[in-house]
Amino acid sequence: GESVGLHLPTLSVQEGDNSIINCAYSNSASDYFIWYKQESGKGPQFIIDIRSNMDKRQGQRVTVLLNKTVKHLSLQIAATQPGDSAVYFCAENELTGGGNKLTFGTGTQLKVEL
Amino acid sequence: EAQVTQNPRYLITVTGKKLTVTCSQNMNHEYMSWYRQDPGLGLRQIYYSMNVEVTDKGDVPEGYKVSRKEKRNFPLILESPSPNQTSLYFCASYGRLTTGELFFGEGSRLTVL
Repeated sequence: GESVGLHLPTLSVQEGDNSIINCAYSNSASDYFIWYKQESGKGPQFIIDIRSNMDKRQGQRVTVLLNKTVKHLSLQIAATQPGDSAVYFCAENELTGGGNKLTFGTGTQLKVEL
Repeated sequence: EAQVTQNPRYLITVTGKKLTVTCSQNMNHEYMSWYRQDPGLGLRQIYYSMNVEVTDKGDVPEGYKVSRKEKRNFPLILESPSPNQTSLYFCASYGRLTTGELFFGEGSRLTVL
């Protein structure tokens, strides 16, 4: 499959455990934060987003936490499954007068061990 | 099925030989964008389009051209490819501009020799 990055931080978890993937962002003016999942050989796929005035949002098996004080974003995956193996990266979106400014992180490789 | 389709998926070419990577979306999205993905650098925006006949430069536009003659299509043109344009390219359309939710194509792996 396609390699999306060399020397990516890697998180290895056992199937069934919870996963926590972290991301530090830089732009305090960002309005939204988004998590994407990229499986080998595929394009990134939207998982969940959170508005900057929130600190937590839950989806199906996923929870995103936002700590604006330390500019930190995390994605928690409950009961991790083999199908969760992928590269996960965060993005920050700042709404501007002309549209938006979307900036992507470099990603974390999640490996689920059976 | 909602999708963004890119072609070709894989291409090996030589320096200077013009090529076009096509992109088509079936979701009637106004906003479309091209990214390149390189190890350690993440996704970087090349060009984007806010509507038909409206295009603008992203962060790394040098060596690329785009056009938006129809809403569904947003081709990426490399007039004279060089080895530093060897990369994985993604086309995307915006599901929701405010949140930054994008629909991505499957990617086009380009190698320039």
